[in-house]
Amino acid sequence: NAGVTQTPKFRILKIGQSMTLQCTQDMNHNYMYWYRQDPGMGLKLIYYSVGAGITDKGEVPNGYNVSRSTTEDFPLRLELAAPSQTSVYFCASSKATDATYNEQFFGPGTRLTVL
Amino acid sequence: KQEVTQIPAALSVPEGENLVLNCSFTDSAIYNLQWFRQDPGKGLTSLLLIQSSQREQTSGRLNASLDKSSGRSTLYIAASQPGDSATYLCAAVSGNTGKLIFGQGTTLQVKP
Repeated sequence: NAGVTQTPKFRILKIGQSMTLQCTQDMNHNYMYWYRQDPGMGLKLIYYSVGAGITDKGEVPNGYNVSRSTTEDFPLRLELAAPSQTSVYFCASSKATDATYNEQFFGPGTRLTVL
Repeated sequence: KQEVTQIPAALSVPEGENLVLNCSFTDSAIYNLQWFRQDPGKGLTSLLLIQSSQREQTSGRLNASLDKSSGRSTLYIAASQPGDSATYLCAAVSGNTGKLIFGQGTTLQVKP
């Protein structure tokens, strides 16, 4: 298994451009998550999905959109990129067997700079 | 609203020392608590997950404890090695959707 894969690894955007960060998992996990990590900080949840066709907002959803058409893929869309979106973006997935056991597995991250 | 805090932000110890990393959370109604390791420029690696009904979990030289009543978790690292140098993050799950609330992390340096 490749686990959780993310593309691209690095990207530089100009203000106002848009892009999609790709995330794919091959572990048949039902739950998927997008986090961002700013320098020296912990991670903050952007959006999450509990299954195909179901998505919901996290702590910091403004400026982002998601979709989940398949179990494997959970792309994150940035519209009208702003410097405040400069961050490292992590995708994660889990097979939630019950509410108390939900071990999340993370991808390697995408480093995004908006200039 | 759940808040997770890790103190200190950075820690430097000589090789071989036993050490404890601290994590505190404000809402005791957690489902589980996870400890992660993050190497510079890399993603997160799950170290230990403690379910709400458990008091501790062990993996090799690592032992994590959970005290919901006091809102605290600790990660104990025995006989530290230079390869343990990394940032350690704790994260609490308060709802059944598995959303993680992260602390800011403790950056550990183990000197040879």
